[in-house]
Amino acid sequence: DAGITQSPRYKITETGRQVTLMCHQTWSHSYMFWYRQDLGHGLRLIYYSAAADITDKGEVPDGYVVSRSKTENFPLTLESATRSQTSVYFCASSADGNQPQHFGDGTRLSIL
Amino acid sequence: AQRVTQPEKLLSVFKGAPVELKCNYSYSGSPELFWYVQYSRQRLQLLLRHISRESIKGFTADLNKGETSFHLKKPFAQEEDSAMYYCAHRGSARQLTFGSGTQLTVLP
Repeated sequence: DAGITQSPRYKITETGRQVTLMCHQTWSHSYMFWYRQDLGHGLRLIYYSAAADITDKGEVPDGYVVSRSKTENFPLTLESATRSQTSVYFCASSADGNQPQHFGDGTRLSIL
Repeated sequence: AQRVTQPEKLLSVFKGAPVELKCNYSYSGSPELFWYVQYSRQRLQLLLRHISRESIKGFTADLNKGETSFHLKKPFAQEEDSAMYYCAHRGSARQLTFGSGTQLTVLP
């Protein structure tokens, strides 16, 4: 599904730096989600949004900030990156929350 | 804590053999459960949702409330079924809670 895209696909940065991961969807879906994928943990929810200007914390929100000024975009910012935030990050969207979630290709983030 | 448990991290079967990927949940009431699959170098995609009771790519999954399980089954595994499989529960805020995943390898 090309309707949801994440950028960049790969990112290497240093501890203490700020980094923003982008997520864009073309379906005008109301719901958007950010997950991180780690071995042994599966995918864990970081933040989600039910609509523009509405966001809420998930299971592992510490160290992350999100915004949703437009329906189609849901950027995730690591304000001061730490090595524990090295992970693969997935963005997903759902039309109304009751429909299945569609996932992006993921961003592989390495923090040195 | 409410959770989704996939007890097997790795599972290997031979081509043509039956396969069962286990999923147990600890949510009460009528849970909304899903199976997602991630093929190598591809994005996560929905395989099954329990309310549809359909068969996709030969896979089926039945919700067993008595055993609180939602195991994924296929009678004859194919090599192209090799992938990471995640069981997931959808919560009241529409977010998904995933199990830790099972890496299935189908051997020739």
